Amino acid sequence: EIVMTQSPATLSVSPGERATLSCRASQSVSSNLAWYQQKPGQAPRLLIYGASTRATGIPARFSGSGSGTEFTLTISSLQSEDFAVYYCQQYNNWAPRTFGQGTKVEIK
Amino acid sequence: EVQLVESGGGLVQPGGSLRLSCAASGFTFSSYSMNWVRQAPGKGLEWVSYISSSSSTIYYADSVKGRFTISRDNAKNSLYLQMNSLRDEDTAVYYCARDITMIGFDPWGQGTLVTVSS
Repeated sequence: EIVMTQSPATLSVSPGERATLSCRASQSVSSNLAWYQQKPGQAPRLLIYGASTRATGIPARFSGSGSGTEFTLTISSLQSEDFAVYYCQQYNNWAPRTFGQGTKVEIK
Repeated sequence: EVQLVESGGGLVQPGGSLRLSCAASGFTFSSYSMNWVRQAPGKGLEWVSYISSSSSTIYYADSVKGRFTISRDNAKNSLYLQMNSLRDEDTAVYYCARDITMIGFDPWGQGTLVTVSS
C-alpha cells in the first residue's frame, strides 16, 4: 500500500497570504495525484488532478506541482472561502487509492 | 447536472447489517467506475471499495474485506454497499464518488451517516 503523508497538519494563514501544502508518497506515483478540498459539513471537491491540472471551475489561485514522491498545493492569495481541509490522493495504482491524512488551513 | 445522492444510513447495533444506495443522474452511469469512501467523525477520508463500470473488477479496503459487498445496477443508475457484521469503527459518513480514469473522484455525493452503536 502506498502511504501518503501530508504536512503540516494545520496551517494558520491570514487572508490574502500564500499557503503552501505538502504531500509525500511512500513510493513514486508519477503524476497520478489529486488534491481535494473539504469544507465543514460538505463533501470533498476535486481541485487538482494529474498533480498540476486544475479541475473545471477551480480558480487560478490554486496550483499544484510535483511528481514522483513530492507534491505541493499552493493557494496564492487566500480568500475566506478557501479555509478548509485539503487532502491529496494517489491513483497510480489500485489496492488502494490512498488519501493523505489532510491539512487544515485555518484563519490566522 | 451530474449528481450523486446517497441513502440508507442510520443507527445499527454492532453485528448488524445495512445497505447503502447511491442514485446517479446527469451522466451515463454505465460508463463509469464508482467508489465508496468513508469519513469517521472528525477524521480523514478512507477509501472503502471500487467497482468497474461492468462490475467485472471489484476492490475492497482490508478493513472491510469479507464484510462489505459493493454492487451496481446500471439499468437503475444505482450503486450499492451491503454492510454486514458492522463494528463500532465502521461509524462514519459514507460517500459515493464517480471514478474518472487518470483524474480522480468527481463528483462526490453529499454522504450518508452510518452509526454503529448499542
